[in-house]
Amino acid sequence: AQSVAQPEDQVNVAEGNPLTVKCTYSVSGNPYLFWYVQYPNRGLQFLLKYITGDNLVKGSYGFEAEFNKSQTSFHLKKPSALVSDSALYFCAVRDMGGSGDKLIFGTGTRLQVFP
Amino acid sequence: DGGITQSPKYLFRKEGQNVTLSCEQNLNHDAMYWYRQDPGQGLRLIYYSQIVNDFQKGDIAEGYSVSREKKESFPLTVTSAQKNPTAFYLCASSPGTVSQYFGPGTRLTVL
Repeated sequence: AQSVAQPEDQVNVAEGNPLTVKCTYSVSGNPYLFWYVQYPNRGLQFLLKYITGDNLVKGSYGFEAEFNKSQTSFHLKKPSALVSDSALYFCAVRDMGGSGDKLIFGTGTRLQVFP
Repeated sequence: DGGITQSPKYLFRKEGQNVTLSCEQNLNHDAMYWYRQDPGQGLRLIYYSQIVNDFQKGDIAEGYSVSREKKESFPLTVTSAQKNPTAFYLCASSPGTVSQYFGPGTRLTVL
């Protein structure tokens, strides 16, 4: 079965510093990987996805993610954090098993950026 | 959140009552999904539908029911059989290109 893990419940970073939110995956076959962000009491917003091609994927709001096949990781990064980046971040993987095409989400990582 | 609406934003239910959460999309997407979100547990899939008049159970379907009579609508009913329904419910749709687009959510509280 496909799965993703987000090992950190919370990440704290000072504004202006680089940030990393970690995600590792377990899949059979080639992975389709995603990052979403959720602000309080809102739905999820799509940030970026990896399907194939370059290992460094650029997304919305200055975020990027690096696909690393040998380490089965897909960490989310940003060179310079903003206070407004504070939110809940979810990693997800595509699952085409069973009777449909769906996403499997990690448990989420809360990012807190301090001024 | 654009293109997907969920109503109501807040919903209160007495124990033993069934309630229906609305999800409508005007994006012409074939696939629609319902998730439940609890603190520290991420998103768990309740039901999903790849096409009109067809739907499949997700990981936590017990105590829930859905219908997909129209492409743009995928209502979720939380029945009295769901013993712990207090949660944030998210609806999503997908054009079949894997990415999902989410609605703003409904927060259900059992009184």
